[in-house]
Amino acid sequence: KNEVEQSPQNLTAQEGEFITINCSYSVGISALHWLQQHPGGGIVSLFMLSSGKKKHGRLIATINIQEKHSSLHITASHPRDSAVYICAVRYGNKLVFGAGTILRVKS
Amino acid sequence: DTAVSQTPKYLVTQMGNDKSIKCEQNLGHDTMYWYKQDSKKFLKIMFSYNNKELIINETVPNRFSPKSPDKAHLNLHINSLELGDSAVYFCASSQKPRGNYGYTFGSGTRLTVV
Repeated sequence: KNEVEQSPQNLTAQEGEFITINCSYSVGISALHWLQQHPGGGIVSLFMLSSGKKKHGRLIATINIQEKHSSLHITASHPRDSAVYICAVRYGNKLVFGAGTILRVKS
Repeated sequence: DTAVSQTPKYLVTQMGNDKSIKCEQNLGHDTMYWYKQDSKKFLKIMFSYNNKELIINETVPNRFSPKSPDKAHLNLHINSLELGDSAVYFCASSQKPRGNYGYTFGSGTRLTVV
């Protein structure tokens, strides 16, 4: 069992829909990262969280340290949001990754 | 200005060959990493260096040898390449090895072993 579990694995949405991707982890962490990877592309860091909530444009990330759970929300989704979203947790000097959520937004 | 640059972007080679992937960061970060992304897009740490010193060495075959000539560079040399080595390899850096520091990733090197 991976220390970082993401759900769903695959998600297809219509343009404009509100999207939520979930991440649960089983270890004590110093920070949680949300990453984005477009097809054939590099990895971009979206958020780093150690508590509470962060917002950047249409993206919102929340974390509940007690419940060891984080969510990534996308409001007013757009086809350009289609990508793999990866949750990663940092504990000690390691970054441990979830398996990723493949998001496809249809127009 | 590219913050973390990897070369080459694509590498196609035959089984048994030896190849190197280079990584450089211009962010002044102390820590650099190599990650392997398999065909299912799952990322896993391979190595990490902090100020030229190896601090993470996961269960990776001895055929993989990282080298850090200075803290801005971390290269990955692979001997006797095997089919199973085909993957995308990402270099990354962070300011420090611990604590709440972000990561910056390179654009990846797609290695195909035929």
